[in-house]
Amino acid sequence: GQQLNQSPQSMFIQEGEDVSMNCTSSSIFNTWLWYKQDPGEGPVLLIALYKAGELTSNGRLTAQFGITRKDSFLNISASIPSDVGIYFCAGPSQGAQKLVFGQGTRLTINP
Amino acid sequence: DGGITQSPKYLFRKEGQNVTLSCEQNLNHDAMYWYRQDPGQGLRLIYYSQIVNDFQKGDIAEGYSVSREKKESFPLTVTSAQKNPTAFYLCASSRSGVWGTSNEQFFGPGTRLTVL
Repeated sequence: GQQLNQSPQSMFIQEGEDVSMNCTSSSIFNTWLWYKQDPGEGPVLLIALYKAGELTSNGRLTAQFGITRKDSFLNISASIPSDVGIYFCAGPSQGAQKLVFGQGTRLTINP
Repeated sequence: DGGITQSPKYLFRKEGQNVTLSCEQNLNHDAMYWYRQDPGQGLRLIYYSQIVNDFQKGDIAEGYSVSREKKESFPLTVTSAQKNPTAFYLCASSRSGVWGTSNEQFFGPGTRLTVL
């Protein structure tokens, strides 16, 4: 079945650093979604991408839809403590009735 | 205030008891989903429903049951047949399963179930 591979699995950074994570697949996706989950809470949608090559920003977050449609990237600039959490990528399954999720990238920030 | 509610936030049950988790949405979304999340792990799909009175098994449906009698409600029952029921359960909804913006799923706050 379709799978999404997120990298890295975890990151430990200093406050103020920039962060970069990615999501790859052997299958083509027509939509890429990026979610953030705070500890003990449900995931929140950060950015949605619908077109190959698209670059979209949401505050300090920037995400790109890879030109091959098999990958996507999320960057966070000037990290702050509230950026801590798990970041998930997701895309619609073949048939589009459900989402396929990556395993997540856990971000930890040292003040 | 539009959104998805799950109640309660924390739930404790004795082994061998069935328990039903509530999920309600007032977003007028057609599709609803249940996920299970174990500590340090990703999301695994239990059941989903694209329309009232219809639902499909996800990747880990064994030991769970659902119903979809109303558009806004999608309760999940964790039965005694589920071998490891202790987990964090997340409910989500989306406009529909059609390509485009309707793929976006919105999540509730989750219910943490502990079976003693």
